[in-house]
Amino acid sequence: EIVLTQSPATLSLSPGERATLSCRASQSVSSYLGWYQQKPGQAPRLLIYDASTRATGIPARFSGSGSGTDFTLTISSLEPEDFAVYYCQQRNNWPLTFGGGTKVEIK
Amino acid sequence: EVQLVESGGGLVQPGRSLRLSCEASGFIFNDYAMYWVRQAPGKGLEWVSGINWNSGSIGYADSVKGRFTISRDNAKNSLYLQMNSLRPEDTALYYCAKAREMIAVVSYFDYWGQGALVTVSS
Repeated sequence: EIVLTQSPATLSLSPGERATLSCRASQSVSSYLGWYQQKPGQAPRLLIYDASTRATGIPARFSGSGSGTDFTLTISSLEPEDFAVYYCQQRNNWPLTFGGGTKVEIK
Repeated sequence: EVQLVESGGGLVQPGRSLRLSCEASGFIFNDYAMYWVRQAPGKGLEWVSGINWNSGSIGYADSVKGRFTISRDNAKNSLYLQMNSLRPEDTALYYCAKAREMIAVVSYFDYWGQGALVTVSS
């Protein structure tokens, strides 16, 4: 099983600041890494797939990078609606796995 | 508009069984793999199981292997999860989710239902 480790667990930032979230895989997942956003009481929403491709309707302030075992989600300038929990997920093989999540909170 | 609607959740005693259903609409159901993902209260996401478009490829998380069975009925646009020998640690919100890519066995999840709550407690 591929283990995904996200860091930091919590990120305290102000609106307008840049957020950088990390996801590290226990073995290579090539570019088969996605990112999700989840707000309280809501289902997750796919933001990024294949490491760097934005899903339909996702604003350009969200970007992804990386390959192999190290990946980054960057939010260039935080909007009030971006404060949420973010998860990475690999689709390289079964079992599909998620990271433990990073909470982006208002400072 | 894609819609996924789960049903069948509830309170069940340890060791008992429960069957979840997910009714899909707004897309060609038999073109896509489907999945179950769960989230324990206050915890992160855990992939539970997945099934490809024709039920020819099925996968389970180790935590549910041998106890849970995923299935689908393409004629009814429906996905199911039969959960047997339930444990307190299976308590979670169970989401039905659709694969992003057509035909792919392993995928990302581009649409999610609102979830069915399963509580395992005596």
